[in-house]
Amino acid sequence: DAGVTQSPTHLIKTRGQHVTLRCSPISGHKSVSWYQQVLGQGPQFIFQYYEKEERGRGNFPDRFSARQFPNYSSELNVNALLLGDSALYLCASSTGTGVMNTEAFFGQGTRLTVV
Amino acid sequence: AQSVTQLDSQVPVFEEAPVELRCNYSSSVSVYLFWYVQYPNQGLQLLLKYLSGSTLVESINGFEAEFNKSQTSFHLRKPSVHISDTAEYFCAVLRMDSNYQLIWGAGTKLIIKP
Repeated sequence: DAGVTQSPTHLIKTRGQHVTLRCSPISGHKSVSWYQQVLGQGPQFIFQYYEKEERGRGNFPDRFSARQFPNYSSELNVNALLLGDSALYLCASSTGTGVMNTEAFFGQGTRLTVV
Repeated sequence: AQSVTQLDSQVPVFEEAPVELRCNYSSSVSVYLFWYVQYPNQGLQLLLKYLSGSTLVESINGFEAEFNKSQTSFHLRKPSVHISDTAEYFCAVLRMDSNYQLIWGAGTKLIIKP
């Protein structure tokens, strides 16, 4: 059974550009969360989606947006990229939200470098 | 506001020696507690979790963690480490209220010396 898959694995973008990161959850999982992990720090929560609705949002600017599709896959979009957006972006899937979200399965991440 | 503190960014230890990785948290509401492990070039994996019941929880590979409510701690321990335990370990908390986000510590790199 496939785990959480993220694409692309690596990406280099220029300041001001736009980027779209993709995530496919484990089959049967309806919740997808996105995290940003800057080198040397723990992950920071960006968004959670459940059944195609946003259920949680972290302290990130409006340049960050996401959506979830009917097949529960998800996209994270970042506009007007800044150098500080360089990070590992992690996607996690789980069966539900809140108390059901007690085990999140993580993909290997997308390494975004902004130059 | 809630936060998770992992005081040690790196912990070097000799193979077969015991280890403790420290985690303290602050939260205005009750929380669930987790330890995740990230092996080199791999994604995060759940190591163990505390939801309720016994305050001592164990993983399948010999790690254990004890929830101490009075000290707001969830330290991770292993009595004898192996070279394969080399990884970065992250402590995380999940609020029991309607906020769904995991709050993470900065991570502790466990370095096993032969």
